[in-house]
Amino acid sequence: GAGVSQSPSNKVTEKGKDVELRCDPISGHTALYWYRQSLGQGLEFLIYFQGNSAPDKSGLPSDRFSAERTGGSVSTLTIQRTQQEDSAVYLCASSSSGFLTGNTIYFGEGSWLTVV
Amino acid sequence: AQSVTQLGSHVSVSEGALVLLRCNYSSSVPPYLFWYVQYPNQGLQLLLKYTTGATLVKGINGFEAEFKKSETSFHLTKPSAHMSDAAEYFCAVIDTGTASKLTFGTGTRLQVTL
Repeated sequence: GAGVSQSPSNKVTEKGKDVELRCDPISGHTALYWYRQSLGQGLEFLIYFQGNSAPDKSGLPSDRFSAERTGGSVSTLTIQRTQQEDSAVYLCASSSSGFLTGNTIYFGEGSWLTVV
Repeated sequence: AQSVTQLGSHVSVSEGALVLLRCNYSSSVPPYLFWYVQYPNQGLQLLLKYTTGATLVKGINGFEAEFKKSETSFHLTKPSAHMSDAAEYFCAVIDTGTASKLTFGTGTRLQVTL
């Protein structure tokens, strides 16, 4: 596609439920990133994929958070047993290669998650 | 560890006035530096970046930034503000020495008044 696509754009879920957020990166981009944007916390790095591998998942806040990437393309971020503090915008981004090349990292419009 | 500091969470300028958004970084080696803009309810859009070469970098929408190693700064400027520039601006850094992640500052919200 023309840009990074994320779904759903908005999600309201009840505390304790599981949610899945999907990201379709720009075609051909091998690197994929997940960030979280919340009030008072700014933009937090969650995880970085190169192909289907995750060389850096140091930002995942707890074991309730997991992510996978299949076929070197689509990625899913899963949050289990959601808590109110998980409410945030989850941003996905992709680039043609990893961080060290300095290539532009393109962001999607985000998935707005509200836990009630 | 790398970090980014953006001075001023809110900046207000008059239309036609100079825009100056400040960014200072800490990094063990020359970093890669970026400015992103976020309009309401939208994702992040790259304004400009510095990786190597010329330290004065020109970006989209008339913005530019200068990498000053001695001051560890990468301030964003625009000679004349337009109403459409109202948005949130994020400075970000990659520490090329540690190959660590893209780290963002806390953002500066730019307001443009008539």
